[in-house]
Amino acid sequence: DIQMTQSPSTLSASVGDRVTITCRASQSISTWLAWYQQKPGTAPKFLIFEASTLQSGVPSRFSGSGSGTEFTLTITSLQPDDFATYYCQQYYNYSYTFGQGTKLEIK
Amino acid sequence: EVQLVESGGALVQSGGSLRLSCAASGFTFSNYWMSWVRQVPGKGLEWVANIKEDGDEKYSVDSVRGRFTISRDNAKNSLYLQMNSLRPDDTAVYYCARNGYKSWYDYWGQGTLVTVSS
Repeated sequence: DIQMTQSPSTLSASVGDRVTITCRASQSISTWLAWYQQKPGTAPKFLIFEASTLQSGVPSRFSGSGSGTEFTLTITSLQPDDFATYYCQQYYNYSYTFGQGTKLEIK
Repeated sequence: EVQLVESGGALVQSGGSLRLSCAASGFTFSNYWMSWVRQVPGKGLEWVANIKEDGDEKYSVDSVRGRFTISRDNAKNSLYLQMNSLRPDDTAVYYCARNGYKSWYDYWGQGTLVTVSS
């Protein structure tokens, strides 16, 4: 199975900050990577697919990049609504594994 | 508006069975792969199983293979997960999710909690 490792596990930031979350795959997955946002008690929300394509309706302050084994999710000018847990997910092969999550909390 | 509504979660004893359902609306259900994804409370996400548009292809994670069966009824716009031989480590919130063009999940239900007691 392809292992997905996110860093950091927890990130403290303030409104207006720019933050970056990293996701590493245990083998190359080309750009077959998605990102999700989850708030407590709710289902994940789909943000990005193919590593860098924003889902319709997702604010442009979110961006994704990377290919192969290393990927990043960047949020510029953090808004109060952005404090949540973020997950990456590979869909290169059928195991469809997720990263362990990065909790973005208010500093 | 796409809606996915899960039901069937409950408290069950180890070794028991449960059938989860997911009612889909707001899109042409028969045109999409569908999946079940689970989340142990306070932990991360784990893909459980998925099924092709016509039900002819199904895949599942190793830990549930042989115990869980995914199925669908396109006439009823419904997705199912039959769970047998349940174990305490199957305790989780189970989400129904629609697959996008590739195997990402673009819409999710609200989840249904399955608790397996020992």
